Amino acid sequence: AQSVTQLDSQVPVFEEAPVELRCNYSSSVSVYLFWYVQYPNQGLQLLLKYLSGSTLVESINGFEAEFNKSQTSFHLRKPSVHISDTAEYFCAVISNTGKLIFGQGTTLQVKP
Amino acid sequence: DGGITQSPKYLFRKEGQNVTLSCEQNLNHDAMYWYRQDPGQGLRLIYYSQIVNDFQKGDIAEGYSVSREKKESFPLTVTSAQKNPTAFYLCASSRTGDNQPQHFGDGTRLSIL
Repeated sequence: AQSVTQLDSQVPVFEEAPVELRCNYSSSVSVYLFWYVQYPNQGLQLLLKYLSGSTLVESINGFEAEFNKSQTSFHLRKPSVHISDTAEYFCAVISNTGKLIFGQGTTLQVKP
Repeated sequence: DGGITQSPKYLFRKEGQNVTLSCEQNLNHDAMYWYRQDPGQGLRLIYYSQIVNDFQKGDIAEGYSVSREKKESFPLTVTSAQKNPTAFYLCASSRTGDNQPQHFGDGTRLSIL
């Protein structure tokens, strides 16, 4: 069965520092991977997705993630974070039955 | 603008009472989903529907019911059989197909009085 593991439940970081949110997945079928962001008391917003092609995918607000098949990872990175990036981030993979499997979430806390 | 609308944003339920959460989408998506979110547990799938008049149980369907009479609407009823209903409920929709991302509403927070 497919599963997603987000290795850190909370990541505190100072403003303008780089950050990496880790995500590992297990899947025996074609891999479609997503990162979602959730701001307090809101729904989830799609941040970026890997479907095929280039293993490095980017979002419009400076985040990027790299699909690494050998390490079964899809870590999310940003070279310089802002206070406004404070949110919860979810990694997800589509299962072989078409359902979306989520990780437990990582809370990114950006401090001034 | 296209999107998913969930209402109400906050909902309170008395013991033994059924309540219905609304979810409407104007994205012309065939598939719709209901998730429950609890602190530290991520999102868990309650029910999903790939097409009108058809739906399937997710991982935690007990104590919940749904209907899909229209493409745009997928209401969720939290019944009195759900013993721990306090949670944040999220509705989502997507095109059908293996690689289609899901789009989410802003959620309904349900609390027990």
